[in-house]
Amino acid sequence: DAGVIQSPRHEVTEMGQEVTLRCKPISGHNSLFWYRQTMMRGLELLIYFNNNVPIDDSGMPEDRFSAKMPNASFSTLKIQPSEPRDSAVYFCASSLLEQGAYEQYFGPGTRLTVT
Amino acid sequence: GQSLEQPSEVTAVEGAIVQINCTYQTSGFYGLSWYQQHDGGAPTFLSYNGLDGLEETGRFSSFLSRSDSYGYLLLQELQMKDSASYFCAVGAGGKLIFGQGTELSVKP
Repeated sequence: DAGVIQSPRHEVTEMGQEVTLRCKPISGHNSLFWYRQTMMRGLELLIYFNNNVPIDDSGMPEDRFSAKMPNASFSTLKIQPSEPRDSAVYFCASSLLEQGAYEQYFGPGTRLTVT
Repeated sequence: GQSLEQPSEVTAVEGAIVQINCTYQTSGFYGLSWYQQHDGGAPTFLSYNGLDGLEETGRFSSFLSRSDSYGYLLLQELQMKDSASYFCAVGAGGKLIFGQGTELSVKP
């Protein structure tokens, strides 16, 4: 079975450019989570969706960040404009809502570098 | 607010037993999860405690005491491949809040 799929795996961009990260959750999972991981701040939850509906976006750092989930099999995280401090590894994870959020399956991550 | 504390690093030798502690403060708590992350990889789920007591999965066990807001991950018969970061995460309000992680180094 395919796990969570993220693309791209690596992204290098210049400050001010728009960045779009993509995620395909595990088929049948109905909760989707976006995380950011840095050495300084650890693993932070940015936003999560249940049944394609955003439930909690309190972790989204600024208005420059936005996330969408147009259907059950696809989500995007967009940063516009990007800044060097956005450099991090961004993970997408999915789980079954009915089982609670405790067992999440993470994608391989997108390593973002903003110069 | 919510906070978790776990040691930043632990070192042990192959074949030994190591315990990684986690204390937490949170509202709406419904359970404690543990995740493993190898360098350059993604976090992977190890165990979950929704009730007080010990859960065992092979060489790994996890414990929770809700009254003490405390849990631990116990790794037995350590192997070199167990060298990784281990995160405790509290479940609250439909999401997980992760600790800062404990880097475990297993020496030969």
